[in-house]
Amino acid sequence: GNSVTQMEGPVTLSEEAFLTINCTYTATGYPSLFWYVQYPGEGLQLLLKATKADDKGSNKGFEATYRKETTSFHLEKGSVQVSDSAVYFCALSRSSGGSNYKLTFGKGTLLTVNP
Amino acid sequence: DSGVTQTPKHLITATGQRVTLRCSPRSGDLSVYWYQQSLDQGLQFLIQYYNGEERAKGNILERFSAQQFPDLHSELNLSSLELGDSALYFCASSAGQKETQYFGPGTRLLVL
Repeated sequence: GNSVTQMEGPVTLSEEAFLTINCTYTATGYPSLFWYVQYPGEGLQLLLKATKADDKGSNKGFEATYRKETTSFHLEKGSVQVSDSAVYFCALSRSSGGSNYKLTFGKGTLLTVNP
Repeated sequence: DSGVTQTPKHLITATGQRVTLRCSPRSGDLSVYWYQQSLDQGLQFLIQYYNGEERAKGNILERFSAQQFPDLHSELNLSSLELGDSALYFCASSAGQKETQYFGPGTRLLVL
């Protein structure tokens, strides 16, 4: 079945540091890939997505490139801010027919950015 | 704000009880998904409805059931509650044939 593996956290960085959160997946066919972010006490927000190989998703300075050859979708940001402190989830969606696009999530990575 | 609303925000109840969680999808979205987030299991897909019909089931217990109404809002019913059912329950919605799911703020359930 489908699965997503994220790097274990927590990750602690200083403001303006470079961020990488690794994500690899196992799926048949061509899944769509997502990064969601969960700020403390809040729900999940879509951060970025990519729907086919070599696509790059980007939003708010975050980027991730869909690499089919390595089955990866690593999240990067060049300069993190304290406000980026949150839990980040990598997820995939693979239709099994019709309009079923259930998401399979990784375990999440807690990021803490210190001033 | 994703446009998906969930009520209530918090729910505290006792073992053996039954509760109903409600979700209103984004305007125009026909598909509703329910997920459970717990510390030990992470985020897990429970069930999906599309335009009133059940489309997919995940790791949903037999004590749990859901439905989607003609106005497209959905309810998740949890019965014979156990301590282990304490979790965050999220609803998400998406347009018919598109893949991006938008999540509501969640309902935090505490079973005592």
